[in-house]
Amino acid sequence: DAMVIQNPRYQVTQFGKPVTLSCSQTLNHNVMYWYQQKSSQAPKLLFHYYDKDFNNEADTPDNFQSRRPNTSFCFLDIRSPGLGDAAMYLCATSGLSGVWEKLFFGSGTQLSVL
Amino acid sequence: DAKTTQPPSMDCAEGRAANLPCNHSTISGNEYVYWYRQIHSQGPQYIIHGLKNNETNEMASLIITEDRKSSTLILPHATLRDTAVYYCIVRGGGGSQGNLIFGKGTKLSVKP
Repeated sequence: DAMVIQNPRYQVTQFGKPVTLSCSQTLNHNVMYWYQQKSSQAPKLLFHYYDKDFNNEADTPDNFQSRRPNTSFCFLDIRSPGLGDAAMYLCATSGLSGVWEKLFFGSGTQLSVL
Repeated sequence: DAKTTQPPSMDCAEGRAANLPCNHSTISGNEYVYWYRQIHSQGPQYIIHGLKNNETNEMASLIITEDRKSSTLILPHATLRDTAVYYCIVRGGGGSQGNLIFGKGTKLSVKP
């Protein structure tokens, strides 16, 4: 059963055209993360939500924003995509029962920028 | 920056044990060692984690040295489906120290 669902699986946008990627979860987890993974590289953490508290990584560009309207959903907004933003975007969730809590990842959205 | 060092690639024969090493010489007392893997075009998948003691679950075993400066992930009977990138991650307490920061990982190729 899918627990962290990302839609769409593939997304194509034009240079400079805003795009939104979505993530939903059925785990009722408090924490949701967004990672960016470029080809042949490791996933890079962009930001995360701890309930409604937004936590941005220091080197995440301002072009990337996020919204979390409720526990189940989280969105990644790219305001003006550049060619360098083409990547796989991964959503993950975790609970709060301990520091050892494992992350559950979605299958990712592959973003292409034309 | 990632706190771990792994070989970039390894090969393993199908049915044999795969032993994946990881160095984490700067690990601190409250930091756990986690292993995740990522099969091509999928999201990372949790495998196992440990603090001091060796751990085993249905997927793998984790051996942590007594000084905690290195560890080894063991897949006891590797199959072709175990071909993936394996990430060793050190993760500590709350705040940003609690976030999962990926290093470059080891690309494991299981061959017939």
